Amino acid sequence: DAKTTQPTSMDCAEGRAANLPCNHSTISGNEYVYWYRQIHSQGPQYIIHGLKNNETNEMASLIITEDRKSSTLILPHATLRDTAVYYCIVRVDNRDDKIIFGKGTRLHILP
Amino acid sequence: GAVVSQHPSWVICKSGTSVKIECRSLDFQATTMFWYRQFPKQSLMLMATSNEGSKATYEQGVEKDKFLINHASLTLSTLTVTSAHPEDSSFYICSASVIGGQFFGPGTRLTVL
Repeated sequence: DAKTTQPTSMDCAEGRAANLPCNHSTISGNEYVYWYRQIHSQGPQYIIHGLKNNETNEMASLIITEDRKSSTLILPHATLRDTAVYYCIVRVDNRDDKIIFGKGTRLHILP
Repeated sequence: GAVVSQHPSWVICKSGTSVKIECRSLDFQATTMFWYRQFPKQSLMLMATSNEGSKATYEQGVEKDKFLINHASLTLSTLTVTSAHPEDSSFYICSASVIGGQFFGPGTRLTVL
């Protein structure tokens, strides 16, 4: 069963910040929020993950609400190369634990 | 970051033949690898979990005799699609686990004629 809910698709203008929401109201205390993306005809690419604090890396920022029931992935300056399907996943931080993908959000970056 | 490769990147075969797909972790050892299948405009579907030195664990509905998985070393897992049929045409993706995350291969596109 899907543990996360994401919008099916979103549009964002090139150069603007892309904010991708994710609801995970049944998240457990030991589960992290992970984000991956998949560019067409490629394997998924890890973006970022977090437990409860906000996180930032060279690709994106992850904002997790205080109750941890939702989060937002932020791509600060979207480019055309950011067009992809973005997957929000909740899972324990166990490297051998399988990842179950939902349907994700198809992000279109508009020129 | 950790690099996972797959070979071949694409393959076309005749119905009834078998096809082997390799998944390698290039700069790390992976005791656990995963195999996924993805049909057009759909999400990735987990097929099986491959553990080095032991039998793979298949997800419900995946035929273990049709999709043979071998994880003979810490850097290589193979998926063999036996007696392939056109409905097996799909994008097959592997991933490997390492401290710090799970990394995915670039995928193999299989077309069965």
